[in-house]
Amino acid sequence: GQQVMQIPQYQHVQEGEDFTTYCNSSTTLSNIQWYKQRPGGHPVFLIQLVKSGEVKKQKRLTFQFGEAKKNSSLHITATQTTDVGTYFCARGSQGNLIFGKGTKLSVKP
Amino acid sequence: SAVISQKPSRDICQRGTSLTIQCQVDSQVTMMFWYRQQPGQSLTLIATANQGSEATYESGFVIDKFPISRPNLTFSTLTVSNMSPEDSSIYLCSVTGTGTEKLFFGSGTQLSVL
Repeated sequence: GQQVMQIPQYQHVQEGEDFTTYCNSSTTLSNIQWYKQRPGGHPVFLIQLVKSGEVKKQKRLTFQFGEAKKNSSLHITATQTTDVGTYFCARGSQGNLIFGKGTKLSVKP
Repeated sequence: SAVISQKPSRDICQRGTSLTIQCQVDSQVTMMFWYRQQPGQSLTLIATANQGSEATYESGFVIDKFPISRPNLTFSTLTVSNMSPEDSSIYLCSVTGTGTEKLFFGSGTQLSVL
């Protein structure tokens, strides 16, 4: 399967600053999923995007799926220390997912 | 949602030995998935475990190295055979939610091979 490229690899922010991670594919995606993995924890599903141009919000998190369905982003507004962890995007279906390398977010209080 | 119990949570093993990881789900699921997460890395699918048939392995993973059992719809095991330090990773069991594509993960098994 095709890889998904995720940037940046690391992001250090001051608490209250915004954060964005990007996920890019060279081929059209049928859907994109986002997961969060806290330090020492296992990945937890955040959201799935399916439609071209789709935007979904979960409190301070905003997820976007590009018009061409080749890229996606996760934006966190006013980060908090509880946002610390690694955020992964993933493509695929029926449990067979290809994960991006993740963006590790650290938040300085 | 699905509740997945995975054990052991961690183990330290000697080179050349084997370790079997168990995964128990609180509901019946058709497919179970085994992922590997090498230190500081992303997740890679090892294989898909189907009840009543042989597991389907991804490129780079073979049955002799990672034999899988799936005796019923709620349980699976993954064995890491003839271990070497390169097998040191977190191994994660996962299932998809009913009628959804989202993956639920067990808490993982952190394996260190000396």
